[in-house]
Amino acid sequence: AQRVTQPEKLLSVFKGAPVELKCNYSYSGSPELFWYVQYSRQRLQLLLRHISRESIKGFTADLNKGETSFHLKKPFAQEEDSAMYYCALSGNTNAGKSTFGDGTTLTVKP
Amino acid sequence: GAGVSQSPSNKVTEKGKDVELRCDPISGHTALYWYRQSLGQGLEFLIYFQGNSAPDKSGLPSDRFSAERTGGSVSTLTIQRTQQEDSAVYLCASAPGRRTGELFFGEGSRLTVL
Repeated sequence: AQRVTQPEKLLSVFKGAPVELKCNYSYSGSPELFWYVQYSRQRLQLLLRHISRESIKGFTADLNKGETSFHLKKPFAQEEDSAMYYCALSGNTNAGKSTFGDGTTLTVKP
Repeated sequence: GAGVSQSPSNKVTEKGKDVELRCDPISGHTALYWYRQSLGQGLEFLIYFQGNSAPDKSGLPSDRFSAERTGGSVSTLTIQRTQQEDSAVYLCASAPGRRTGELFFGEGSRLTVL
């Protein structure tokens, strides 16, 4: 079974501090991992995917197959980063169905 | 280009009434998902359509909920005999392929059951 776990429901940091949103997954195979973000009053949208290996808005995420993790990191948080973040997995089982974690609400305080 | 479109954007109904929520996915996308997002909560998976395959209905919370996808395009989520606990934002998402990869979300339909 494929499963995504985001252990922190809420995360609060001060502006300029580093931030790490945790994501662990369970999947027997080679998954694609994604981070989605939902800013207040906006639609849910893709932030980044592991195969792109890119930095978006200063965020990076590295797929660690040994630890089955895909943590999202940013060295210096900004107030505009406050949002709901979802980790998601897409595989080639279950007819390709994507699975989402429960989400982490990040608050960056001034 | 057009994104995923959902209607109505807001719906207020009385307990016991039936409601229909519509989703127009991105043209050509074979995968379509419905999720529910209650206030302050995460995404709750409801149903998944992939091409002509039988839909994955494992997330539907009760038999009052049903969904159809006509012609592999537009989808309708129907909630019969609505209850107050059905109040939530209902999100639709579509994706281009069998291994769905990136999902494209609509803005959601906010349902309030009085």
